[in-house]
Amino acid sequence: DQQVKQNSPSLSVQEGRISILNCDYTNSMFDYFLWYKKYPAEGPTFLISISSIKDKNEDGRFTVFLNKSAKHLSLHIVPSQPGDSAVYFCAASEGRDDKIIFGKGTRLHILP
Amino acid sequence: EPEVTQTPSHQVTQMGQEVILRCVPISNHLYFYWYRQILGQKVEFLVSFYNNEISEKSEIFDDQFSVERPDGSNFTLKIRSTKLEDSAMYFCASNLPGTGGRKTQYFGPGTRLLVL
Repeated sequence: DQQVKQNSPSLSVQEGRISILNCDYTNSMFDYFLWYKKYPAEGPTFLISISSIKDKNEDGRFTVFLNKSAKHLSLHIVPSQPGDSAVYFCAASEGRDDKIIFGKGTRLHILP
Repeated sequence: EPEVTQTPSHQVTQMGQEVILRCVPISNHLYFYWYRQILGQKVEFLVSFYNNEISEKSEIFDDQFSVERPDGSNFTLKIRSTKLEDSAMYFCASNLPGTGGRKTQYFGPGTRLLVL
């Protein structure tokens, strides 16, 4: 049962353009959402998060949008840079639970 | 910038052997976690640990698994009798609520475990 779904296994974007990574979730009790970035042979690195009481959070080139009615969130990267090439994981947590539920990830390729 | 460290980076073991994976969480963090990622699959929660006891564990975390914080800095995951299906990347994470968000966990680089 996939509670967090990332339906695009990979995405290619031209350098300088906007990268949009999408994520859907099924558990309406999730109240906190996170995006992690992962390079090969490294652990997931925290990028940005959003509480369910907000619909947008911005940090530099990264913006996360949350649409609770659609149970959908997205990560926008503007402008995309070569170092952004990595696997991006959408993740969520519920209430007082400690655990984070991860999606399967989307591999982002930034093209020169 | 402080970071979570893990040792060893790679571990090869025979089926049925015990392994201990070690982690040093970020020093002022209070919550500690283990996750694993089987090749080609998603990152899965195993266990969380707070105040010297397990606060939550998943179905994966059966009696073959145990965690310990033997001193003020290390956090270990022990697999008592390894099985082939335990082969995975194991990630340690830590969290101090209030920093970067309530549930923001910071991950180590992982230990790749291969059970033969």
